[in-house]
Amino acid sequence: DAGVTQSPTHLIKTRGQHVTLRCSPISGHKSVSWYQQVLGQGPQFIFQYYEKEERGRGNFPDRFSARQFPNYSSELNVNALLLGDSALYLCASSLDRGRSYNEQFFGPGTRLTVL
Amino acid sequence: AQSVTQLDSHVSVSEGTPVLLRCNYSSSYSPSLFWYVQHPNKGLQLLLKYTSAATLVKGINGFEAEFKKSETSFHLTKPSAHMSDAAEYFCVVRGRDDKIIFGKGTRLHILP
Repeated sequence: DAGVTQSPTHLIKTRGQHVTLRCSPISGHKSVSWYQQVLGQGPQFIFQYYEKEERGRGNFPDRFSARQFPNYSSELNVNALLLGDSALYLCASSLDRGRSYNEQFFGPGTRLTVL
Repeated sequence: AQSVTQLDSHVSVSEGTPVLLRCNYSSSYSPSLFWYVQHPNKGLQLLLKYTSAATLVKGINGFEAEFKKSETSFHLTKPSAHMSDAAEYFCVVRGRDDKIIFGKGTRLHILP
């Protein structure tokens, strides 16, 4: 079975541009979460989506948005890119959100560099 | 409010010696706790999880962790380090509100 997949693997943008990152969860998983991992730090929670609705949001500005599609895949959008948005963006999927012990399965990430 | 603190940013051990990676947590509720490992250029992999069952949790690759409520700790241990254990390790707390908080990570170095 395929794990969580993310595209693209690497991306280079300039300040002010916008970017769209994509994630496909494990088959059967209905919950997708997005994380930002800045070099040398642990991942920080951005969004969680479950059944196509936003169920949780971390402490990120409105330039960050996301959505989940009927097939449970997800997109993360970042507008007006800043240098500080350079990071590894991780997507994780889990079966549902109803139980806090559910394991999250992580994708390999998208490395975003903003110049 | 929840938080997690990994007490060491770097740990170095010799191959074949025990590993101890320390994690303290803070949570208003009885939390779920996880340890993840991240190898260079690879995704995060779950090592083990605590979900209010047994306080001693066994994970993959010989790792285990003990939940100590009185000390609010969830330290990760392994009896004998292997070169392949060199990686970044993250302690994670997840509460009833589903908020997931990662620690800042501990880089484990294995000396030959």
